[in-house]
Amino acid sequence: NAGVTQTPKFHILKTGQSMTLQCAQDMNHGYLSWYRQDPGMGLRRIHYSVAAGITDKGEVPDGYNVSRSNTEDFPLRLESAAPSQTSVYFCASSTQGDICDYTFGSGTRLTVV
Amino acid sequence: AQRVTQPEKLLSVFKGAPVELKCNYSYSGSPELFWYVQYSRQRLQLLLRHISRESIKGFTADLNKGETSFHLKKPFAQEEDSAMYYCALRGGSEKLVFGKGTKLTVNP
Repeated sequence: NAGVTQTPKFHILKTGQSMTLQCAQDMNHGYLSWYRQDPGMGLRRIHYSVAAGITDKGEVPDGYNVSRSNTEDFPLRLESAAPSQTSVYFCASSTQGDICDYTFGSGTRLTVV
Repeated sequence: AQRVTQPEKLLSVFKGAPVELKCNYSYSGSPELFWYVQYSRQRLQLLLRHISRESIKGFTADLNKGETSFHLKKPFAQEEDSAMYYCALRGGSEKLVFGKGTKLTVNP
């Protein structure tokens, strides 16, 4: 099915370890973003990309890196995980233009111990 | 600056009762407003957007520019409406700003 695919669905990481969360979309959407969802904090944007080769910081970028080498993929990398990065991570995509209709992935539940 | 406020973290109603989830926004221009819903352990889904003025699953929301509000309403809540609801604002770019969410519980 077309949409946004995130892997893995769950992961437990030790403090200081690195990890890459994968996001792939097959709708030819130009815009991709990563959000983290925390209780009482809602959804906060980490990084986003408006096109291949272009990335930019969101509200809470510290501790995360992204790259956009093609239209489909937008991986999120944690270089040295911290317990504060325990969260549910969502990737979202949309077409560019006047209407912003996000399609969300199913999420990655990450626990850093 | 764009800001979305959902004043209620939790909202509990009985089945068949009316429900209103509040959303207020702050934006100097002409906003686009959305409601997203997240059922238990599922991905977020777009519920409705103000420009289409549609009713989805019995929910409606009217943009009130005077009160800068976009409250979500349903006249008769159902148990399957239990979920997290997020109000979101887009102002002038692809950036979507979300409120902190309201957890709706519909009791039998």
